Amino acid sequence: EPEVTQTPSHQVTQMGQEVILRCVPISNHLYFYWYRQILGQKVEFLVSFYNNEISEKSEIFDDQFSVERPDGSNFTLKIRSTKLEDSAMYFCASSLRQGAYEQYFGPGTRLTVT
Amino acid sequence: DAKTTQPPSMDCAEGRAANLPCNHSTISGNEYVYWYRQIHSQGPQYIIHGLKNNETNEMASLIITEDRKSSTLILPHATLRDTAVYYCIVRTDSNYQLIWGAGTKLIIKP
Repeated sequence: EPEVTQTPSHQVTQMGQEVILRCVPISNHLYFYWYRQILGQKVEFLVSFYNNEISEKSEIFDDQFSVERPDGSNFTLKIRSTKLEDSAMYFCASSLRQGAYEQYFGPGTRLTVT
Repeated sequence: DAKTTQPPSMDCAEGRAANLPCNHSTISGNEYVYWYRQIHSQGPQYIIHGLKNNETNEMASLIITEDRKSSTLILPHATLRDTAVYYCIVRTDSNYQLIWGAGTKLIIKP
């Protein structure tokens, strides 16, 4: 069964450093998403991406964040200058279409900012 | 998107049906009800969704009341692996994001 994959599974970085989290969505999916979950808290939407542009973003997704689909398979989330409060699990998801279609999630990348 | 209310936790015996309720009294006509679950430290997993009619798939059944103000997710024969946090989410088909609440922590007991 096709699945969303994410690398790395765990990333440790120092405050102020740039990090790139990588995702490989399901191959025929067209819509891509990033969510995050701070330990013990709710899952929060960050951004959705379609046709090489952002279709929706939350207040969390400020200028420090960017997304890119550099080739036909990868989907990345970049945090330019990490803060302690960026420590969280980051989940990538994809869906075949917008609308009443399920989103499939990857296993997540645990980001620890020290 | 309409808000949902779920009990914070529930227990169920292994092999029995687990019935997870969700209230969405402010749901509007074009909003779907989705259920996801998150097994500890894993990514959320889609279970099922519906608009008006009851739905069933290999994982679960979704029962939506006629007035659509509440729904129940049924896991027909719960196993220990079904222990997870279950999220009921309401959204329109024009929205991209899923808005997550606190969910119901379901514990399956042997």
